[in-house]
Amino acid sequence: GQQLNQSPQSMFIQEGEDVSMNCTSSSIFNTWLWYKQDPGEGPVLLIALYKAGELTSNGRLTAQFGITRKDSFLNISASIPSDVGIYFCAGQKPNYGQNFVFGPGTRLSVLP
Amino acid sequence: NAGVTQTPKFQVLKTGQSMTLQCAQDMNHEYMSWYRQDPGMGLRLIHYSVGAGITDQGEVPNGYNVSRSTTEDFPLRLLSAAPSQTSVYFCASTPYPGQGGHGYTFGSGTRLTVV
Repeated sequence: GQQLNQSPQSMFIQEGEDVSMNCTSSSIFNTWLWYKQDPGEGPVLLIALYKAGELTSNGRLTAQFGITRKDSFLNISASIPSDVGIYFCAGQKPNYGQNFVFGPGTRLSVLP
Repeated sequence: NAGVTQTPKFQVLKTGQSMTLQCAQDMNHEYMSWYRQDPGMGLRLIHYSVGAGITDQGEVPNGYNVSRSTTEDFPLRLLSAAPSQTSVYFCASTPYPGQGGHGYTFGSGTRLTVV
């Protein structure tokens, strides 16, 4: 069954607005990854988080590893049209090797 | 360019047919995996391999076989295609911690339709 929940499922925002999305689980994770998928392409890694409380930025993107280790957050500042796509979180569970569990994704649309 | 290459990009199969989805990477990554992507379900792990000669099942392995004879290649075989296997399939690879990080590199996907 679905082990990760992402919210919102989809969102429509105006260009220039900030975006916040999150990923939650009932299980503890050791690592959180955030990916973006453009139409017809495979997901591309945006940010990796390795320890609880960690806050990491990549340009206009900022992500945080929740203190409880059961959630993670992604913020996008000053959105632009090329931010359109599906954003996935992925978590690595303890004792799960290199395998990651993926959330169902948040679909972002940016209106000009 | 270095990366993960998947072929074909699109495929239509009839129920009961078999086929192999190809995946190759040239980054010398030990770990490779296959995911399927269905609407609202995210990516679900089918099979994975931690190195040549070693494979294991993921979350949804039924109906699929894999082998890993070389580090570079990790083909996915559909033995007898069913409409429930209509999906987009992604291959991914990653080095182990200490070799460059945790993040997967994904291929561009194979869109499979079973009729």
